[in-house]
Amino acid sequence: SAVISQKPSRDICQRGTSLTIQCQVDSQVTMMFWYRQQPGQSLTLIATANQGSEATYESGFVIDKFPISRPNLTFSTLTVSNMSPEDSSIYLCSVASDSYNEQFFGPGTRLTVL
Amino acid sequence: DAKTTQPPSMDCAEGRAANLPCNHSTISGNEYVYWYRQIHSQGPQYIIHGLKNNETNEMASLIITEDRKSSTLILPHATLRDTAVYYCIVRVTIKTSYDKVIFGPGTSLSVIP
Repeated sequence: SAVISQKPSRDICQRGTSLTIQCQVDSQVTMMFWYRQQPGQSLTLIATANQGSEATYESGFVIDKFPISRPNLTFSTLTVSNMSPEDSSIYLCSVASDSYNEQFFGPGTRLTVL
Repeated sequence: DAKTTQPPSMDCAEGRAANLPCNHSTISGNEYVYWYRQIHSQGPQYIIHGLKNNETNEMASLIITEDRKSSTLILPHATLRDTAVYYCIVRVTIKTSYDKVIFGPGTSLSVIP
């Protein structure tokens, strides 16, 4: 299994600012995913980030709002730009196993925007 | 949209078997049934997956009907630590960025002392 850590674990931010969330994996993985979980809701896929290529965004999510970096096989960042209170959510990083049979999740970053 | 339907909530007495149903009537031949759970304030945790045969591991058993249109996750002896939201997901194994993993609302299982 993969061990995933995220930084920060939580943050409180002001409207109009940006926050970059880091995701570190203890092994090299090809596919990484970013999810959002709004209060009381299920997980929503934001984008898929493969090393060496541009992230693929899901409907309703755009690169200008959620830029993603994937500089190597163990690390990725998600930036939440120009934040508003509606961006208050838990943001989760996830990776696929080598066999692609399992998907592992980080502990999440709890973001509150005032 | 999610390809599965699950009851929004269920209760189970501690020590009894918890049987969580899932309907996936539009499942394709190459799609697997996966189960994850999310304990409060944690990331989702993989439980089990299967294609058409019943599967068992140290956490749970997965029973898939012969027509593959529904399945049941069984926690044989539920404990208070099994209280969580359980997600049933159908997907192909992830090989490209286009194999999306879509989470539905899941079933909130409460294990009662």
